[in-house]
Amino acid sequence: KQEVTQIPAALSVPEGENLVLNCSFTDSAIYNLQWFRQDPGKGLTSLLLIQSSQREQTSGRLNASLDKSSGRSTLYIAASQPGDSATYLCAVDPGYQKVTFGTGTKLQVIP
Amino acid sequence: NAGVTQTPKFQVLKTGQSMTLQCAQDMNHEYMSWYRQDPGMGLRLIHYSVGAGITDQGEVPNGYNVSRSTTEDFPLRLLSAAPSQTSVYFCASSHEANYGYTFGSGTRLTVV
Repeated sequence: KQEVTQIPAALSVPEGENLVLNCSFTDSAIYNLQWFRQDPGKGLTSLLLIQSSQREQTSGRLNASLDKSSGRSTLYIAASQPGDSATYLCAVDPGYQKVTFGTGTKLQVIP
Repeated sequence: NAGVTQTPKFQVLKTGQSMTLQCAQDMNHEYMSWYRQDPGMGLRLIHYSVGAGITDQGEVPNGYNVSRSTTEDFPLRLLSAAPSQTSVYFCASSHEANYGYTFGSGTRLTVV
């Protein structure tokens, strides 16, 4: 059974700092990995999707990397802003819909 | 495009009552899924569908039924609500397996 772990569970940083969120998974037979953000009381917003054949994806200040062989993905946020405060979730898709989510990292960016 | 629409946003049920959570998408996505989100446990897959007429169980299917008669709609039925089903429910859809998921805004369900 796939297990997805996100460490740390919570993170507090001053505004402007660059930061890395971690996601690890136990079964490397994945089809893709997706990063989401979730604001309190809201749904999930897709940030980046990395397919199994890719090493990284970038969108604005966000960069996600994938290392299937080691079962790891990282989400890099450059020049963090208070608006980045949210919970960040990673989700691993084996390709047949049984997606497994991590429990998330709650990020607080302090002005 | 409205994306993925879930109704209702909030619901309170009494133990033993039944209800249907609605999910509709207007993106012509083949894949649709239902998740529940509980504190400390993340999102867990309840049921999913890879197309009209095809459904399958996820990690936590007990107490829930689904059907997929059209591409657009994927309702989730609670047969006899229990307090353990108090949760936030999310519906998601995807074009194909490698296109990522779009989520609805969720239904917050309380069973008393």
